[in-house]
Amino acid sequence: DAKTTQPNSMESNEEEPVHLPCNHSTISGTDYIHWYRQLPSQGPEYVIHGLTSNVNNRMASLAIAEDRKSSTLILHRATLRDAAVYYCILRDGLTGGGNKLTFGTGTQLKVEL
Amino acid sequence: DTAVSQTPKYLVTQMGNDKSIKCEQNLGHDTMYWYKQDSKKFLKIMFSYNNKELIINETVPNRFSPKSPDKAHLNLHINSLELGDSAVYFCASSQGRTAVGETQYFGPGTRLLVL
Repeated sequence: DAKTTQPNSMESNEEEPVHLPCNHSTISGTDYIHWYRQLPSQGPEYVIHGLTSNVNNRMASLAIAEDRKSSTLILHRATLRDAAVYYCILRDGLTGGGNKLTFGTGTQLKVEL
Repeated sequence: DTAVSQTPKYLVTQMGNDKSIKCEQNLGHDTMYWYKQDSKKFLKIMFSYNNKELIINETVPNRFSPKSPDKAHLNLHINSLELGDSAVYFCASSQGRTAVGETQYFGPGTRLLVL
């Protein structure tokens, strides 16, 4: 799986939008961009995924750059419960990467009142 | 109802012992996984089973042996435990094995401490 680069940490105030960036300059044409998050003392949970077009779901939005070399996870209104490590993961669209998830170091999001 | 459950939640044991961690999923999924998260919070795949068949076996010491009695269960047995085995072990499951959109559902983790 191709490598991703994320900031180690970010801070946000509650009820404000949060934009979590991810760089993946070596992404291939068949790689999907997945986001998972891990809340404290819990297992990772799926957030969203996309290929080329921007995606929205009840948890977040995913904005993908036109050249696909970067993407941004958008939490529209951060809450204290969104404090977690957010992982940006690339998965091969042809094989699913054997279906394994290759986690990087992620971004630790801190949300303050 | 918990979708992916693991037992025990905590496991403290001595070096050299043999221990097992159990995982069960009630989602009707065909594929299950074991991941290890070390002290630096780095999360890495260990094994994956699809319908009781081993499909992913990363570079893991052969002291670790997964066993899948049926597709709803994937257990992890560890022989001759070492200090470096201390970590959090996560079980996960997904519907299939290759679809890129497959969501993986993770259990709460088993915190293993080897003394």
